Amino acid sequence: AQSVAQPEDQVNVAEGNPLTVKCTYSVSGNPYLFWYVQYPNRGLQFLLKYITGDNLVKGSYGFEAEFNKSQTSFHLKKPSALVSDSALYFCAVSSDNYGQNFVFGPGTRLSVLP
Amino acid sequence: GAGVSQTPSNKVTEKGKYVELRCDPISGHTALYWYRQSLGQGPEFLIYFQGTGAADDSGLPNDRFFAVRPEGSVSTLKIQRTERGDSAVYLCASSYGQGVGEQYFGPGTRLTVT
Repeated sequence: AQSVAQPEDQVNVAEGNPLTVKCTYSVSGNPYLFWYVQYPNRGLQFLLKYITGDNLVKGSYGFEAEFNKSQTSFHLKKPSALVSDSALYFCAVSSDNYGQNFVFGPGTRLSVLP
Repeated sequence: GAGVSQTPSNKVTEKGKYVELRCDPISGHTALYWYRQSLGQGPEFLIYFQGTGAADDSGLPNDRFFAVRPEGSVSTLKIQRTERGDSAVYLCASSYGQGVGEQYFGPGTRLTVT
């Protein structure tokens, strides 16, 4: 079975400071890892993905994530947070064993304070 | 261009009734997914279509749930004999091609079973 953990329900950060939203996973096979963001009253939007290749992945809106195989983590980061980054963030995982059957984490609510 | 659309946006039904939820994917997207999202949780995978066929329906919770995509475009999720526990937001997503690509999500249908 595959699973995703987002250990923090809520992350608060001051505008201009770096932010990290944590994600750890468990899969059999090679992982496929995604981050999505959900703004209020809007659908989930894709941020970035890791399938293979460079461990550091850059995505939309200045976000990046680092795949760490030994720690089975895929933490989302941004060097300088904006108030407009405040939203609900979901990590999702599948693998070459599970194909398109994605498991999403419970979500982390990010609040960027002005 | 047009994104993924879902109708209705809200559906209230009585316990035991039958409901149909519709998803119009992005034109040209061959992959289509249905998820269910309960309050405070991440999306839960239900079924994945590649073209007209259900390539993975392992997430459907029981035989009251069924989905079709007869022409490889629009999909309908059908729920028979609805139960109060079926109340959730049902999300549809589509993606291009057969690889593990980013999914484009619709706004969801909020189903309430009274």
